[in-house]
Amino acid sequence: GAVVSQHPSWVICKSGTSVKIECRSLDFQATTMFWYRQFPKQSLMLMATSNEGSKATYEQGVEKDKFLINHASLTLSTLTVTSAHPEDSSFYICSASPGTGEGQPQHFGDGTRLSIL
Amino acid sequence: GENVEQHPSTLSVQEGDSAVIKCTYSDSASNYFPWYKQELGKRPQLIIDIRSNVGEKKDQRIAVTLNKTAKHFSLHITETQPEDSAVYFCAANDYKLSFGAGTTVTVRA
Repeated sequence: GAVVSQHPSWVICKSGTSVKIECRSLDFQATTMFWYRQFPKQSLMLMATSNEGSKATYEQGVEKDKFLINHASLTLSTLTVTSAHPEDSSFYICSASPGTGEGQPQHFGDGTRLSIL
Repeated sequence: GENVEQHPSTLSVQEGDSAVIKCTYSDSASNYFPWYKQELGKRPQLIIDIRSNVGEKKDQRIAVTLNKTAKHFSLHITETQPEDSAVYFCAANDYKLSFGAGTTVTVRA
């Protein structure tokens, strides 16, 4: 149980392109999902908290106009990297929890490796 | 916000020996402390977690201890095996997870 699916797993595209990443909870409903960014050999950096039916909450330093988040249903959140540039290349991972409130286990998707040429 | 520090950054152990990773946190409101294992290029996988009303939890070769007064918690892996080689992250939760920097564990055969 508690399976999170993320798609695509790998994207290579030209600079200036917008890229959409999907995160789905397959066997549970998730009011809240989280988007992380991970650089090689580094920890997970929380980018934003995605809330179903409302605006995402972005962490300090994360450009909300650059990283658009939509959480239209209880099982799907999307992250769109707009006008991507080489510095946006990274490993992006989403997570979701089958429970609500504090102290709930988070389960991660497989991640999306984004390479901008 | 929460600040989690993790030590050591790298750990090399002989197969069969124990491995210990330690983390400290800053926010006394945090009440949930998960540990994740991440293999190269893969998702972080939850391996064990502990809540603030518990001092110790064990699952086969893995155990976690929590000292709320001192604000530190530790991961213990006994009888290490080559497949335990990975990066391990601790985290603390006060709604959002704050991760430690990670420990790269290498188990030598």
